[in-house]
Amino acid sequence: DGGITQSPKYLFRKEGQNVTLSCEQNLNHDAMYWYRQDPGQGLRLIYYSQIVNDFQKGDIAEGYSVSREKKESFPLTVTSAQKNPTAFYLCASRVKEAGTSGYNLDEQYFGPGTRLTVT
Amino acid sequence: DAKTTQPNSMESNEEEPVHLPCNHSTISGTDYIHWYRQLPSQGPEYVIHGLTSNVNNRMASLAIAEDRKSSTLILHRATLRDAAVYYCILLTYGQNFVFGPGTRLSVLP
Repeated sequence: DGGITQSPKYLFRKEGQNVTLSCEQNLNHDAMYWYRQDPGQGLRLIYYSQIVNDFQKGDIAEGYSVSREKKESFPLTVTSAQKNPTAFYLCASRVKEAGTSGYNLDEQYFGPGTRLTVT
Repeated sequence: DAKTTQPNSMESNEEEPVHLPCNHSTISGTDYIHWYRQLPSQGPEYVIHGLTSNVNNRMASLAIAEDRKSSTLILHRATLRDAAVYYCILLTYGQNFVFGPGTRLSVLP
């Protein structure tokens, strides 16, 4: 089955440590996204990538870094510079070109999320 | 980014219809109206989208006002599994989705 996987589901880290969240998709989608969600809030865009080896900052990129070396993978590193890293992190993907594998051009597909707790 | 306004929360009884409103008075002619929903502790999932005409799919119906300044997501028979946060989003082609706080729907048995 095609989909987006994020691992792990729960992650615990000590303050001051960098941590990398995994996101993999086998939907053959070009675009991938990272969002952060705090309790009772909507999703805020951290970084996005429209194509391999290219990515752009979203609304809250400070303290985060990403890479896009493969189409299928878009890992997010939460660095020690992120002042308040405890949150629910969601990865998503979207097809860029119409007609690709029958996917809706407008639909964004989300992974199950990683809940990060930093103490 | 074009903005949407939704009630913070709504309640419905099981097996009754639910009408979730969304105001988007600053919508432009090229903005699509999208609805996503997020079940507890999961990522959001697509529900429906439209431009001008009302839309139906297996999950819901979308009613769009004639002036497009508001829309309503209709769940025809709410089930307990429909309890979620529902997001109304305006999307311009080529732009990114912007998720506001949404409407938290509670379904009572």
